[in-house]
Amino acid sequence: GENVEQHPSTLSVQEGDSAVIKCTYSDSASNYFPWYKQELGKRPQLIIDIRSNVGEKKDQRIAVTLNKTAKHFSLHITETQPEDSAVYFCAAPTTTSGTYKYIFGTGTRLKVLA
Amino acid sequence: KAGVTQTPRYLIKTRGQQVTLSCSPISGHRSVSWYQQTPGQGLQFLFEYFSETQRNKGNFPGRFSGRQFSNSRSEMNVSTLELGDSALYLCASSWTGNYQETQYFGPGTRLLVL
Repeated sequence: GENVEQHPSTLSVQEGDSAVIKCTYSDSASNYFPWYKQELGKRPQLIIDIRSNVGEKKDQRIAVTLNKTAKHFSLHITETQPEDSAVYFCAAPTTTSGTYKYIFGTGTRLKVLA
Repeated sequence: KAGVTQTPRYLIKTRGQQVTLSCSPISGHRSVSWYQQTPGQGLQFLFEYFSETQRNKGNFPGRFSGRQFSNSRSEMNVSTLELGDSALYLCASSWTGNYQETQYFGPGTRLLVL
C-alpha cells in the first residue's frame, strides 16, 4: 500500500553537528522526492529535492541521497545552526486506484541546541 | 512573482456549520492541491484540481468538496463541520501537477471547530 515512513520523529543536535533524517517509501514507481521545512506557524517550504535518475544532490549544507533499490532517501544537514530548527517533511508521489498524490512523512522535529 | 495566498488565515466555527476556504495559486500555475495538517495525522491529501476539474481525490468524506475557477483560484468547502475537522488547511500549487513538479504551499487557513 501507499506509505512513507519517516524517522526519527524528533532529533536534537548540538550546533555545528550533523543531522540525518531518513524516509522509506513503498511505491516503486515513485520518481521524485522533495523535502520541506516548516517553521513554527509558517508554510512548508521546499529545501531540496531529488529525482530518481540521480543518487545524490547537494546544496550548500544540505544534501539528499536516494537508494531506489532499498526505497529510501535521506536528508543530511551539516554544520547545523539554530535557524535549522524546524519540522522537516519528506514526500513521495504515488498512484493508487488511478489517483495520483503526494504522500508525506509524519515529520521530524529538529532542535539545534546552541 | 507573488506566492500562493490563502484566505482567511483563521476561522472559528461551531459544529454543524459549513466553511469555505480560498486559495490563489502562483500566477501561471494551473494545478492546486489541498491538504489537511493535524498534529496526529500529519499532512493528508484532500484533492487536486487542474483546469477546473477535480483530477485526484484523497480519502476524505464527501463533506469535503472543492472547485476551481477559470483563473485557477480554488475554493474548498467543508459542510456539517465536526470537532475533528479542526486543522491547518494548506493549499499548494504547481504548473501542471505532474510527477516531478515542485509544489509551493500557501500559508494555510487555521480552522477551529467548537
